[in-house]
Amino acid sequence: DAGVIQSPRHEVTEMGQEVTLRCKPISGHNSLFWYRQTMMRGLELLIYFNNNVPIDDSGMPEDRFSAKMPNASFSTLKIQPSEPRDSAVYFCASSYIDPGTDTQYFGPGTRLTVL
Amino acid sequence: GENVEQHPSTLSVQEGDSAVIKCTYSDSASNYFPWYKQELGKRPQLIIDIRSNVGEKKDQRIAVTLNKTAKHFSLHITETQPEDSAVYFCAASSPAGKFYFGSGTKLNVKP
Repeated sequence: DAGVIQSPRHEVTEMGQEVTLRCKPISGHNSLFWYRQTMMRGLELLIYFNNNVPIDDSGMPEDRFSAKMPNASFSTLKIQPSEPRDSAVYFCASSYIDPGTDTQYFGPGTRLTVL
Repeated sequence: GENVEQHPSTLSVQEGDSAVIKCTYSDSASNYFPWYKQELGKRPQLIIDIRSNVGEKKDQRIAVTLNKTAKHFSLHITETQPEDSAVYFCAASSPAGKFYFGSGTKLNVKP
């Protein structure tokens, strides 16, 4: 099992540019979560999908952030336009939501720096 | 919604001593409580978890206890080693699978 795959691992961009983060969940998992981690705010849930459908996007900071999951094996998180305060580590996690097995497994993260 | 509080924020122990990290939650519907360990620059990784129908679970040097009535759960690490140094996060999960994370505890094990 390859685990959750994220790309890129590091992204440096300039303010105003569009940034797209990518995630491939563990095969067979039916739920996918996007988190943002900063020293100040800790781990924040941005959005999560169940069976490719967005269930809760209440954590998305503002309209500059959008997320899609076109199929069970791929999701994107887009920031347009990016701002320096978006600098953080973005984690994707996946799980199989079931009463007995809903552990979330995290990807390696994407470290985003917006200059 | 759920609110998870975690204490202490930092914990320093001598190698070989025990470490205890405590979390409280507010939503009685939460039924799954995982603990994650995050080393510097790495992803959070599950180290142990417990479900609401169990009061205690142990895996070698780590154990978790759950008190549903009081809505609190704790992580216990015995015989700490320098490689246990990391940030530890607790979480409470709603039946819909959404995790609410604590703010993290930075554990430092001094050799």
